[in-house]
Amino acid sequence: IVLTQSPATLSLSPGERATLSCRASQSLSNHLIWYQQKPGLAPRLLIYDASNRATGIPARFSGSGSGTDFTLTISSLEPEDFAIYYCQQRSSWPLTFGGGTKVEYK
Amino acid sequence: EVQLVESGGGLVQPGGSLRLSCAASGFTFSSSWMVWVRQGPGKGLVWVSRISTDGSATGYADSVKGRFTISRDNAKNTLYLQMNSLRVEDTAVYYCATYCQVCPSDYWGQGTLVTVSS
Repeated sequence: IVLTQSPATLSLSPGERATLSCRASQSLSNHLIWYQQKPGLAPRLLIYDASNRATGIPARFSGSGSGTDFTLTISSLEPEDFAIYYCQQRSSWPLTFGGGTKVEYK
Repeated sequence: EVQLVESGGGLVQPGGSLRLSCAASGFTFSSSWMVWVRQGPGKGLVWVSRISTDGSATGYADSVKGRFTISRDNAKNTLYLQMNSLRVEDTAVYYCATYCQVCPSDYWGQGTLVTVSS
């Protein structure tokens, strides 16, 4: 299953809303994960099963979608949110990741 | 506190071998499926291999099938990745992580760098 993330880069300012997209080549039901990764660190689980916030994740992060189209929304960017975001499908093996969206300072 | 600590990375020549280890603590290792994920320099995340709780079921990405072997020792709370016939394109940071299909949390190690170069 191929996951296509868009845009590749999102240039925004703190306080702005970020909308990230992940499109799958076939239906995933809801088995879509979102990770955040900062330089030199392991990925951090944000959203599981498309729309459920992981343990300890702030409410400004939300996920939506089903089937083949999914969205990660950050309602109001905090300075610590500037990072790379990956989607991952857990619908079937092999697990696959999208290519990532970098959220950078405008 | 949950910890996954990888070790065993390093510089190896093409065609060589390395064995990565991932020591787990702070959770019930024997109840967790585990995976290896790698990330090439400046690249994205790529799943490498998986193993079931008792080690009876394993799986591999096509790019490593026949060259890499995943295993675990639940008595030692340790996950392994035996990597043979290494190629330049295997150069990456290798992460071990817990896996389940629908979970509110997962755990990752800090990663270990494998560099394949002559």
